Amino acid sequence: DTEVTQTPKHLVMGMTNKKSLKCEQHMGHRAMYWYKQKAKKPPELMFVYSYEKLSINESVPSRFSPECPNSSLLNLHLHALQPEDSALYLCASSQLARRESTDTQYFGPGTRLTVL
Amino acid sequence: AQTVTQSQPEMSVQEAETVTLSCTYDTSESNYYLFWYKQPPSRQMILVIRQEAYKQQNATENRFSVNFQKAAKSFSLKISDSQLGDTAMYFCAFMKSFNAGKSTFGDGTTLTVKP
Repeated sequence: DTEVTQTPKHLVMGMTNKKSLKCEQHMGHRAMYWYKQKAKKPPELMFVYSYEKLSINESVPSRFSPECPNSSLLNLHLHALQPEDSALYLCASSQLARRESTDTQYFGPGTRLTVL
Repeated sequence: AQTVTQSQPEMSVQEAETVTLSCTYDTSESNYYLFWYKQPPSRQMILVIRQEAYKQQNATENRFSVNFQKAAKSFSLKISDSQLGDTAMYFCAFMKSFNAGKSTFGDGTTLTVKP
């Protein structure tokens, strides 16, 4: 099973709403990532969790709040978003293997978020 | 900081022909990882091929191969016998290490395979 799943696939929310994105993997990976991707642009790293601890926060606004409840699950809580936050939000995971030469980053299908 | 440059925003190729996508990068690291990812329209990003900087041998995966020139900091992707399913956006990416966690992506090349 080399799958990263993300729910929901699509989300439309107003600027005053609170919603959450969910990401799950059952590959035993110990690193999980959130990326934001605008159309026809490369993914931009937002957060990295290593061994369930936040290891990288790329100066993301506080209206985005990540959470890693366990090694298989990663959430992104959204509150008071702006229309410019509309994008594809990608989750990814990697093993953090002792031998990095065997490691690979697996991406989920993404959640397409529209903020009205 | 690392940078990754893909100088070809768009490319096209006829089915069954060969195409090469270019990527250059800048880093002061001696060991690192380079990747090519494929993202079909409205579909999932998947890893096409990876290269470890300390390995001189160019990586190959079926119809996909790379030309890795470490001194020139160049990492091009060759797709042989192009298929319609190869139509996608291709991203070149650099990662110092998985423990460091941070990938740097190029701006992407949109490849269209024409029948």
